[in-house]
Amino acid sequence: KAGVTQTPRYLIKTRGQQVTLSCSPISGHRSVSWYQQTPGQGLQFLFEYFSETQRNKGNFPGRFSGRQFSNSRSEMNVSTLELGDSALYLCASSSMGQGPLGGYTFGSGTRLTVV
Amino acid sequence: KQEVTQIPAALSVPEGENLVLNCSFTDSAIYNLQWFRQDPGKGLTSLLLIQSSQREQTSGRLNASLDKSSGRSTLYIAASQPGDSATYLCAGPGAQKLVFGQGTRLTINP
Repeated sequence: KAGVTQTPRYLIKTRGQQVTLSCSPISGHRSVSWYQQTPGQGLQFLFEYFSETQRNKGNFPGRFSGRQFSNSRSEMNVSTLELGDSALYLCASSSMGQGPLGGYTFGSGTRLTVV
Repeated sequence: KQEVTQIPAALSVPEGENLVLNCSFTDSAIYNLQWFRQDPGKGLTSLLLIQSSQREQTSGRLNASLDKSSGRSTLYIAASQPGDSATYLCAGPGAQKLVFGQGTRLTINP
């Protein structure tokens, strides 16, 4: 079966711009979560969606937002980009309802560079 | 609150050696633990998922164990190969999220 698909793979944006990243989960998976990975901070949790509802959000400013559609695809948006937003953004899907017994599957990530 | 720690941060060994990567976690109510591999600039590849009802999981040359009472998991790699060079991450479940260790950067020298 197809894995988790993230688009685009690479992005270069200018400070102050906004960006939208997309994630298509494994078919049948209803949970999608997003992580930011930087060399200094490691993997940090951004937010998690299940059946179009945000269930948890990490400690990021309001410039970071997301949503999930009825087909479980998810998007995250970053507005007013800052240099520090340069990172690898990873999306993960899970079949979990009450608990992630099946584990998480990650996409290949979107490498965002802010200049 | 779940916290995950991995030691060592980096490890370099000659090809052919058996090695162990360590992961510790604070919440003993953990119901599973997942090991991932990450190549530079790439996403995470799931290696092994251990449920709390299991003590070990094996996949090829990889074996992962989970000891909830001690808050530890280990990833054993047998007969290491240069292609095993990567960063290895363990992660335990938090509230609708994964909590990651900082990873162990493994280098296998030919």
